[in-house]
Amino acid sequence: GAVVSQHPSRVICKSGTSVKIECRSLDFQATTMFWYRQFPKQSLMLMATSNEGSKATYEQGVEKDKFLINHASLTLSTLTVTSAHPEDSSFYICSAVQGSETQYFGPGTRLLVL
Amino acid sequence: AQKITQTQPGMFVQEKEAVTLDCTYDTSDQSYGLFWYKQPSSGEMIFLIYQGSYDEQNATEGRYSLNFQKARKSANLVISASQLGDSAMYFCAMREGRTGFQKLVFGTGTRLLVSP
Repeated sequence: GAVVSQHPSRVICKSGTSVKIECRSLDFQATTMFWYRQFPKQSLMLMATSNEGSKATYEQGVEKDKFLINHASLTLSTLTVTSAHPEDSSFYICSAVQGSETQYFGPGTRLLVL
Repeated sequence: AQKITQTQPGMFVQEKEAVTLDCTYDTSDQSYGLFWYKQPSSGEMIFLIYQGSYDEQNATEGRYSLNFQKARKSANLVISASQLGDSAMYFCAMREGRTGFQKLVFGTGTRLLVSP
């Protein structure tokens, strides 16, 4: 299957700082990338859909000014959590689609905001 | 209404036995896709198997098979010959609409524990 990487794998930051998470498709060009959030013992919730060269589409209830998404190339999408607060602490996971049916997921990023 | 329902929060199975994880879905679309993913404790989501709504045969991938009953709107995952490494969370997901519209909706997951 296709390989998707995420960096960093975990990050601890102070409240008020911004955190950037990278999602890369390593062996294919991703037409679309998705960003999900997962709270402990819960399912994945889609935050936004990211297409290369265009603005991301955010799900209802997700603040686009809070969670900035940049899809600069067919292999890279970034999620920036701006002015992070403790309630933003979560597991963030991206996925990428080549154009087939299947979304391939990255390993996820654990964010802890103190 | 829930789009994807997984009624089993946890399942136990003994090594080498088969286990079925339940998934029912709700959609009015004629074209849709159903997926199963495995999430170990490390967190990554591992794609297991896919079933398209127009596929006439049940999908199989190695020890994984999908028991697709369209009329009942169920897409149960069957794991044969369970292994200790199968212990993980399992999520059922659905893509609605035509191919190319890739948004997935996930169920709440089932935690599988395989005992020796």
